[in-house]
Amino acid sequence: NAGVTQTPKFQVLKTGQSMTLQCAQDMNHNSMYWYRQDPGMGLRLIYYSASEGTTDKGEVPNGYNVSRLNKREFSLRLESAAPSQTSVYFCATNRGIGNTIYFGEGSWLTVV
Amino acid sequence: TQLLEQSPQFLSIQEGENLTVYCNSSSVFSSLQWYRQEPGEGPVLLVTVVTGGEVKKLKRLTFQFGDARKDSSLHITAAQPGDTGLYLCVSGGGSNYKLTFGKGTLLTVNP
Repeated sequence: NAGVTQTPKFQVLKTGQSMTLQCAQDMNHNSMYWYRQDPGMGLRLIYYSASEGTTDKGEVPNGYNVSRLNKREFSLRLESAAPSQTSVYFCATNRGIGNTIYFGEGSWLTVV
Repeated sequence: TQLLEQSPQFLSIQEGENLTVYCNSSSVFSSLQWYRQEPGEGPVLLVTVVTGGEVKKLKRLTFQFGDARKDSSLHITAAQPGDTGLYLCVSGGGSNYKLTFGKGTLLTVNP
């Protein structure tokens, strides 16, 4: 997982609180992604950014916002956390369409 | 929408045993990747297969891609506790950014 750094590693939130998950990559890749992983559901795409300055919705975008701050950084924000957002979140990156994807180590989020 | 079915969902074996896990699709793969995810970590790429009938070996791991590019298998010889993890098959991107993930096979190798 070298090259993709996520923070925080663990977080507990109360319902309604907001928070931002940070992701940075030093691989000089154009594309960045946010996934969530839930038991029995596999990995699901929340948002992606094909290149600096662009973002697009994935499979499960509701309740989230993203910012592609620059080529290196892609943040995921929960404006009003809900228990259904309890999950493990992974940031990922690749050079572009069809290329190998590299994942961060994950952020464990619990919303109570 | 392409669906990836992985089997078995869970597998618990003793050190030294051999095993095979499978990934099957409802449609043709453009390419297929296998990842291993260890507890508390993100998925890490093991191999990419792109050609029908392709076989790739990575030490004790053998990956096969079906001739019709609709199925793939991962065979592990003489499994070790370090092989424990979630094995994911991933298909795509192709012409878009949407990768399709299987739900994985959770492998436990007991000492």
